[in-house]
Amino acid sequence: DGGITQSPKYLFRKEGQNVTLSCEQNLNHDAMYWYRQDPGQGLRLIYYSQIVNDFQKGDIAEGYSVSREKKESFPLTVTSAQKNPTAFYLCASSIVSYPGGAVNTEAFFGQGTRLTVV
Amino acid sequence: AQKITQTQPGMFVQEKEAVTLDCTYDTSDQSYGLFWYKQPSSGEMIFLIYQGSYDEQNATEGRYSLNFQKARKSANLVISASQLGDSAMYFCAMREGPPYGNNRLAFGKGNQVVVIP
Repeated sequence: DGGITQSPKYLFRKEGQNVTLSCEQNLNHDAMYWYRQDPGQGLRLIYYSQIVNDFQKGDIAEGYSVSREKKESFPLTVTSAQKNPTAFYLCASSIVSYPGGAVNTEAFFGQGTRLTVV
Repeated sequence: AQKITQTQPGMFVQEKEAVTLDCTYDTSDQSYGLFWYKQPSSGEMIFLIYQGSYDEQNATEGRYSLNFQKARKSANLVISASQLGDSAMYFCAMREGPPYGNNRLAFGKGNQVVVIP
């Protein structure tokens, strides 16, 4: 079945460590996104990519890094510079529409990774 | 400034009744899109319904309908005939600008719904 796979589901990080969250999609979507969700809050955009080898910062990119070497994969690294990394991280993907194309470009989400600093 | 506002406290709904979830938005763009997502306790985000700013009809998808009032900048979600499986957090989101090459979403803080038998 087509979908988005995030791993691991739970991740524990020691202070000062970098950790990488995996996100893979087989939906053939061009665009991929990383969101962060804190308890009782909505999602905030960290990074997004609309094409391989290109990505842009979202609203809260500080302390995070990404790569997009393959269309299917968009890993997120939480660096030691991220002062408060404990959160729920969601990866998503969508088509990229062009004039004359689809207007409902909803994002499809993975199951999420819950990161805890210990 | 908050682009999406969802301010209702947690709601308890009787099974089989309808429930309306409020969402107001703020944008100066003429072209934009509004989305509703459901997040059950397992955490994944499930797309429910979409409304484009130029759509003249309110969007409907099965038991979900969107009450779109453009002049008031509101996009309320109506769930008819509630089911126990509807218990979840519901998020309103907006894409500012046309959909071409732009899929960034701004999310509200969500509405908690609990359906009781």
